Amino acid sequence: KAGVTQTPRYLIKTRGQQVTLSCSPISGHRSVSWYQQTPGQGLQFLFEYFSETQRNKGNFPGRFSGRQFSNSRSEMNVSTLELGDSALYLCASSLPELVGETQYFGPGTRLLVL
Amino acid sequence: EDQVTQSPEALRLQEGESSSLNCSYTVSGLRGLFWYRQDPGKGPEFLFTLYSAGEEKEKERLKATLTKKESFLHITAPKPEDSATYLCAVQAPYSGNTPLVFGKGTRLSVIA
Repeated sequence: KAGVTQTPRYLIKTRGQQVTLSCSPISGHRSVSWYQQTPGQGLQFLFEYFSETQRNKGNFPGRFSGRQFSNSRSEMNVSTLELGDSALYLCASSLPELVGETQYFGPGTRLLVL
Repeated sequence: EDQVTQSPEALRLQEGESSSLNCSYTVSGLRGLFWYRQDPGKGPEFLFTLYSAGEEKEKERLKATLTKKESFLHITAPKPEDSATYLCAVQAPYSGNTPLVFGKGTRLSVIA
């Protein structure tokens, strides 16, 4: 079974630009979560989508947004990029119906903001 | 607020030298505790899920255990390929597929 895939793997942007990252979950997984990983803060939850609806949201500014499509693929968008948005952005998929279901992570997208 | 603390931050072992990593948590009712391994520049790789105190799971040289306040990841006779950052995460009992709260990780180096 193919794992979680994320595109692009690397991205360089400048301050003020916007960026869109894509995530394809494991086949059959309907929940997609996004996390930001930085050396200082570690892994922090951004948001979770299930059935094209945002079900949970972390403590990030409104510049961070996402969406999910009917095939469970998800995108996240960051507008007006800041230097501090440089991070590894990770997507995780899971079966949402079961209690404590394991989340499986993709390889991440490394974003560098100059 | 749910908290996860991992110790030590970094651990250097000789090949074959067994040790344990600690993950302590404060969460009102645990829905699941997860261990992941992360190699540099890659996404976390799932290792174990533990649901209740007293539960243990094993995979090759790794064994995870869970109590009401902490979890241990025991590494028996480690090899250099076990070098990685080990992450612990908890999931609290809210509705839906709630987010994972991660610790900062333990960086393990195994020297041949």
